[in-house]
Amino acid sequence: SAVISQKPSRDICQRGTSLTIQCQVDSQVTMMFWYRQQPGQSLTLIATANQGSEATYESGFVIDKFPISRPNLTFSTLTVSNMSPEDSSIYLCSVGGNSGNTIYFGEGSWLTVV
Amino acid sequence: GQQLNQSPQSMFIQEGEDVSMNCTSSSIFNTWLWYKQDPGEGPVLLIALYKAGELTSNGRLTAQFGITRKDSFLNISASIPSDVGIYFCAGQPPNRGSNYKLTFGKGTLLTVNP
Repeated sequence: SAVISQKPSRDICQRGTSLTIQCQVDSQVTMMFWYRQQPGQSLTLIATANQGSEATYESGFVIDKFPISRPNLTFSTLTVSNMSPEDSSIYLCSVGGNSGNTIYFGEGSWLTVV
Repeated sequence: GQQLNQSPQSMFIQEGEDVSMNCTSSSIFNTWLWYKQDPGEGPVLLIALYKAGELTSNGRLTAQFGITRKDSFLNISASIPSDVGIYFCAGQPPNRGSNYKLTFGKGTLLTVNP
């Protein structure tokens, strides 16, 4: 399986600010995704990060709030813009497509907005 | 969208006991995946199932892909304290445009009493 590194692992952010989360994979991967996990909840897909083009967002998530970049096959960023306390969550990068339909996750970035 | 019903929501067992949890859906999936998540960490893949009827083991863990493709179970035998965590099922729908996207169950919180 791929080794997936996320930065930051944790952060406390001020309301109204933006934070960019980085996801680095140790090998080229076909698919990269960003998930959100709110406290005590399951995982919800935010978007599919497409290499060299705009991300594909799921219902309820928009580019202005969660801009995503994917400049190559090993790296992606997710920005959480104009944060509010409701954005306090674990944000997870995941990859897949290289070995069947198996999806692997990074260790997550735990954001607390105050 | 498709939803997964995961049960039980939580379990409190004694060390050494066997555990069983399951997920059901009203629609079919092509792949079933089982993950374990420790507090503050990302989900770790335990078992991946790709064919209806498939039964796969990983140490003390056994999972099966239901023949109807609408359900899956995970069994843990002879539980130990480090089995504590949240277990998530996840399924991938058969539509080509949704390849690799995961739908998650709400999770089963497992507590093991030493």
